Amino acid sequence: SQKIEQNSEALNIQEGKTATLTCNYTNYSPAYLQWYRQDPGRGPVFLLLIRENEKEKRKERLKVTFDTTLKQSLFHITASQPADSATYLCALRGNDYKLSFGAGTTVTVRA
Amino acid sequence: DTEVTQTPKHLVMGMTNKKSLKCEQHMGHRAMYWYKQKAKKPPELMFVYSYEKLSINESVPSRFSPECPNSSLLNLHLHALQPEDSALYLCASSQEGGTRLSTDTQYFGPGTRLTVL
Repeated sequence: SQKIEQNSEALNIQEGKTATLTCNYTNYSPAYLQWYRQDPGRGPVFLLLIRENEKEKRKERLKVTFDTTLKQSLFHITASQPADSATYLCALRGNDYKLSFGAGTTVTVRA
Repeated sequence: DTEVTQTPKHLVMGMTNKKSLKCEQHMGHRAMYWYKQKAKKPPELMFVYSYEKLSINESVPSRFSPECPNSSLLNLHLHALQPEDSALYLCASSQEGGTRLSTDTQYFGPGTRLTVL
């Protein structure tokens, strides 16, 4: 069966450090992978999309890598700030063309 | 306008009530979605409308009834719900429905927090 695993349920880091989140998937052949941010009680907000032929994508302090051999994506927040505290979800389109989400990693950045 | 709006923000209903959730987008998107999200869980897909036609129903109980009156509006009619249906209900839209090549980045509304007593 298809599975998306985000390894850490929670990540606590000091302001200014880099947060690294992991998304592993099984039995998907994704053409692309997406990352969303979700604040408590709110809907997810799209952050980044990376295609299967792209190794790395950046947006401001965010960086995403995608390794289709390892079946893994890494999501980095550099120079983290308390405002980055949120839950981050990775999402993949399955063979049935539906978007499925990982369980998410909750990041807390301490001032 | 890159916003998806949902009303109401909060809804409390009894098991015998009938209520509706509403969702609206004006981005010209042709696919709209309903998701259900329980605490500390990812969003779970319920329904997908593509070009105003229901294209996916994830075996959702008939007490949830979706409706897409036009390309900008999506409703979810609720009737005879159970307490376990209490959750955050999210509406989303994307430019097109899913294909292998389309990058259907989804834009989510703020959600309706539903409590069933």
